[in-house]
Amino acid sequence: SAVISQKPSRDICQRGTSLTIQCQVDSQVTMMFWYRQQPGQSLTLIATANQGSEATYESGFVIDKFPISRPNLTFSTLTVSNMSPEDSSIYLCSVQGATDTQYFGPGTRLTVL
Amino acid sequence: ARKITQTQPGMFVQEKEAVTLDCTYDTSDQSYGLFWYKQPSSGEMIFLIYQGSYDEQNATEGRYSLNFQKARKSANLVISASQLGDSAMYFCAMREGPWMDSSYKLIFGSGTRLLVRP
Repeated sequence: SAVISQKPSRDICQRGTSLTIQCQVDSQVTMMFWYRQQPGQSLTLIATANQGSEATYESGFVIDKFPISRPNLTFSTLTVSNMSPEDSSIYLCSVQGATDTQYFGPGTRLTVL
Repeated sequence: ARKITQTQPGMFVQEKEAVTLDCTYDTSDQSYGLFWYKQPSSGEMIFLIYQGSYDEQNATEGRYSLNFQKARKSANLVISASQLGDSAMYFCAMREGPWMDSSYKLIFGSGTRLLVRP
């Protein structure tokens, strides 16, 4: 399985600011995925990021709010823009392994005051 | 529509005993994959076990086994010999999208919180 790291592991931010979350994988992968987990809830896919092309966003998520970069096959960033308390969540990136399985990073726990 | 249902918000089990966590799914696809993940309080999602829709044998991984009943559309997780470290949230998930499609996404159930009592 791939080894995935995320930075920061947690942060406390002020309303109206932006935070960029980094996701690094120890091997090259085609697709990377970004999920959000609101408090006490399950995971919801934000977008799928393919290297060299625009990310594909799920219904309810827009690029202006959650811009994503994918500059190479081992790295991606998710920015949470103009944050409000409703953005307080755990944000997780994942990659698909060689088999039919997705592996997740350790997550970024975001609190917006 | 594809859907995952976990009807047990919380479960208790005595240490060293076995426990079954329920998961039912709804899909019209012939090819699909089912997954179980564990989420400790730290927040990370740990992959436990996978079952493909065409797999004839139930999947097993150490103390984890998946009781796959295709006709009933259920994929229950069985944890044998529970340990205190098994206390966590457990999520059932289904692959949405064709097998071998690198862009498939996962849809998740609402999760079951398991507490192992000493």
